[in-house]
Amino acid sequence: DQQVKQNSPSLSVQEGRISILNCDYTNSMFDYFLWYKKYPAEGPTFLISISSIKDKNEDGRFTVFLNKSAKHLSLHIVPSQPGDSAVYFCAAMQGGKLIFGQGTELSVKP
Amino acid sequence: DTEVTQTPKHLVMGMTNKKSLKCEQHMGHRAMYWYKQKAKKPPELMFVYSYEKLSINESVPSRFSPECPNSSLLNLHLHALQPEDSALYLCASSPRTSGIVTDTQYFGPGTRLTVL
Repeated sequence: DQQVKQNSPSLSVQEGRISILNCDYTNSMFDYFLWYKKYPAEGPTFLISISSIKDKNEDGRFTVFLNKSAKHLSLHIVPSQPGDSAVYFCAAMQGGKLIFGQGTELSVKP
Repeated sequence: DTEVTQTPKHLVMGMTNKKSLKCEQHMGHRAMYWYKQKAKKPPELMFVYSYEKLSINESVPSRFSPECPNSSLLNLHLHALQPEDSALYLCASSPRTSGIVTDTQYFGPGTRLTVL
């Protein structure tokens, strides 16, 4: 059973607009969440994280929001750039293990 | 610096070969990980080393044998692999041991393995 879900396999956004990537989880014991960006044939690159004691964390163009009651987090990228085109994985940490969602492929069009 | 290096970048091997994948980090991290990633799928955890000791083995077949010679190095020894083992093998490291809540893992670029 998937504990971390990214229900949108793909997302297409115009350059300069906002990209919103969503992630849902089922285990209320998760207390640390991360977003990774991945290009083909490369390893995932850490983007941003959030602890469950917070509801928002911001780093430059990237902001992660956490809604614990809904077991939902989202990654906002503003403004989106063509170089942001990649697969984005949401992950939750439990007992030192990272549990990944299935990924969302973001395409930012010029 | 959050660099994890992996060698080789690509590896092709037959089912009777023995080969090794190598991973190195010089960030002083005390936890290191092996993941396997198939196309269009998320990374799947294989092994975790914490302070050079194997702490998690996710029921990986014995044809995969991990080794942690020191705190900076992690090897994955391969023997008698099957074609379905072809995948991207990713190494990661994190600053502290398993169980620490906010322990971010940093990934290497991976080794693309093809088993013929």
